[in-house]
Amino acid sequence: QITLKESGPTLVKPTQTLTLTCSFSGFSLSTSGVGVGWIRQPPGKALEWLALIYWDDDKRYSPFLKSRLTVTWDTSKNQVVLTMTNMSPVDTATYYCARLSQGSVADFDYWGLGTLVTVSS
Amino acid sequence: QSVLTQPPSVSAAPGQRVTISCSGSSSNIENNYVSWYQRLPGTAPKLLIYDNNKRPSGIPDRFSGSKSGTSATLGITGLQTGDEADYFCGTWDSSLSAYVVFGGGTKLTVL
Repeated sequence: QITLKESGPTLVKPTQTLTLTCSFSGFSLSTSGVGVGWIRQPPGKALEWLALIYWDDDKRYSPFLKSRLTVTWDTSKNQVVLTMTNMSPVDTATYYCARLSQGSVADFDYWGLGTLVTVSS
Repeated sequence: QSVLTQPPSVSAAPGQRVTISCSGSSSNIENNYVSWYQRLPGTAPKLLIYDNNKRPSGIPDRFSGSKSGTSATLGITGLQTGDEADYFCGTWDSSLSAYVVFGGGTKLTVL
């Protein structure tokens, strides 16, 4: 059974750095063609893709947020970590992690429930 | 404003058929596979359709996908009250800044 779960702070202050962890089970990120992505959805707005990390440690970022994002993979813990710097209120959103289907470019076949992050002083 | 355009809401009665459109451009839908997701209230999004029209294991054939040019469509037949959810499309945008794009989402109400 494949599961993913996001964890991290629910409240961050403006200018702070957000660190979110995606803990997954039921699959190996070492498997060729697999990846883990981060997607967010601000209240009342559309989904926005943030980042992807692939089985070979290749990484892709949203061109609009690239300068603020870093995604890493802790192989010993089956965790993917997303950091986003210089947070502002517009970054308030539910943040999801999801598995990229093996061999796919943009199909996410398993998602976490998401975690709501509020940016406020 | 999303790269992919979906109607904010659609509605239909139980047992009927409904379609949800997803409009894009030559840099995304026209030249890449489209996927569709369902998010029931309080649950994680679920992949319904991938590669334009394929269903993952366990997804009933009441759900179908199609694509023509720069638009894609999700069809749902035999509507059930349990289908009431948010639906959104996604694909790859292969413009100079290649990235994953999603539609704004469509709220399906089963009357």
